[in-house]
Amino acid sequence: AQTVTQSQPEMSVQEAETVTLSCTYDTSENNYYLFWYKQPPSRQMILVIRQEAYKQQNATENRFSVNFQKAAKSFSLKISDSQLGDTAMYFCAFMKHGYGNKLVFGAGTILRVKS
Amino acid sequence: DAGITQSPRHKVTETGTPVTLRCHQTENHRYMYWYRQDPGHGLRLIHYSYGVKDTDKGEVSDGYSVSRSKTEDFLLTLESATSSQTSVYFCASGGTENTEAFFGQGTRLTVV
Repeated sequence: AQTVTQSQPEMSVQEAETVTLSCTYDTSENNYYLFWYKQPPSRQMILVIRQEAYKQQNATENRFSVNFQKAAKSFSLKISDSQLGDTAMYFCAFMKHGYGNKLVFGAGTILRVKS
Repeated sequence: DAGITQSPRHKVTETGTPVTLRCHQTENHRYMYWYRQDPGHGLRLIHYSYGVKDTDKGEVSDGYSVSRSKTEDFLLTLESATSSQTSVYFCASGGTENTEAFFGQGTRLTVV
């Protein structure tokens, strides 16, 4: 079974600075997807970024980028130029490729952006 | 955004009563999921569905059942609600490629 670990329950960062959220996972699969979801106080789950394991290039979406280390089974999220609106819970998630797959989540990291 | 709606959004119920939560999607997605969210646990999978009348258990399925008689609807039933089932419940769906999941707004259920 796959597991996802987020070792930082809470983090804080000053506005305009950069912060990195950590995620590690355990799997014997070779082909899979990794995700970061954001959950603001509104409770809505918002997909921030997605990485396909067969792609070596790290995914980026505007101020959000990942550091994907497949051998180390590590998938960290870097937020540059942090904004107050980035304050949220962030979840790392794993999904193996193929029929019947399901999304497995980590416990989450609460990020607070301070002005 | 994918069209996924959950109903009700909030519910308070008494211990021992049956409760049904509804998830409706307009994307013709094949895959649908029910998760519960609790502090310190992230989102944990309760049940999921590969298609109509094709469902399977997740990691926290005890005390829950599901049904999917139509592609667009996925129902979660608590046969006899307990206080440990107080939680926020999320429905999600994914297309045939199932390369990501789209979430509903969540349902806050309180069992008193």
